[in-house]
Amino acid sequence: SQTIHQWPATLVQPVGSPLSLECTVEGTSNPNLYWYRQAAGRGLQLLFYSVGIGQISSEVPQNLSASRPQDRQFILSSKKLLLSDSGFYLCATRRGNEQFFGPGTRLTVL
Amino acid sequence: EDQVTQSPEALRLQEGESSSLNCSYTVSGLRGLFWYRQDPGKGPEFLFTLYSAGEEKEKERLKATLTKKESFLHITAPKPEDSATYLCAVQGNQGGKLIFGQGTELSVKP
Repeated sequence: SQTIHQWPATLVQPVGSPLSLECTVEGTSNPNLYWYRQAAGRGLQLLFYSVGIGQISSEVPQNLSASRPQDRQFILSSKKLLLSDSGFYLCATRRGNEQFFGPGTRLTVL
Repeated sequence: EDQVTQSPEALRLQEGESSSLNCSYTVSGLRGLFWYRQDPGKGPEFLFTLYSAGEEKEKERLKATLTKKESFLHITAPKPEDSATYLCAVQGNQGGKLIFGQGTELSVKP
């Protein structure tokens, strides 16, 4: 079965600092991978998805970028964080028609 | 535009008091409706997928149903461990991405 790891679990960063969140997946090859953000209102917003190495689709233009350097690794980055980047960041993969989520990273920008 | 609205935003029940959560949706060509459970500080946990009106799925005290406009998550004789936020999402035929509702926060008191 697939297992999704996210690192770090929590992060507190100052405004203007860079960001790198990592997602790795075990138990599958060539997975579809997704980055979501969940703000205080509880809804999940799709940020990026990837169908393969180096293939990134952006859903919402913003201060963030994503990269997929390896088959089972998905990175979410920012050069300069904004206060509005605070939230719960979730990585997901797809099996059949369903999406399965990792444990998430809680990001607080101060 | 694909849209999902969940109600109520919050629901408080006594243990054993059955109730239903609602998920209303508009989507161009429904490919699937998904229910997730999310505990505080954790990633969403997949519960059900429904594909067509009239379909029903059950798991322990939970039963999900689907019509052409909405889905219900029925909770029978809930227990305190059923307390969580329940998320609904739809997948349409435009790009295949999931559109999430804001969730219903369920609290079950002993």
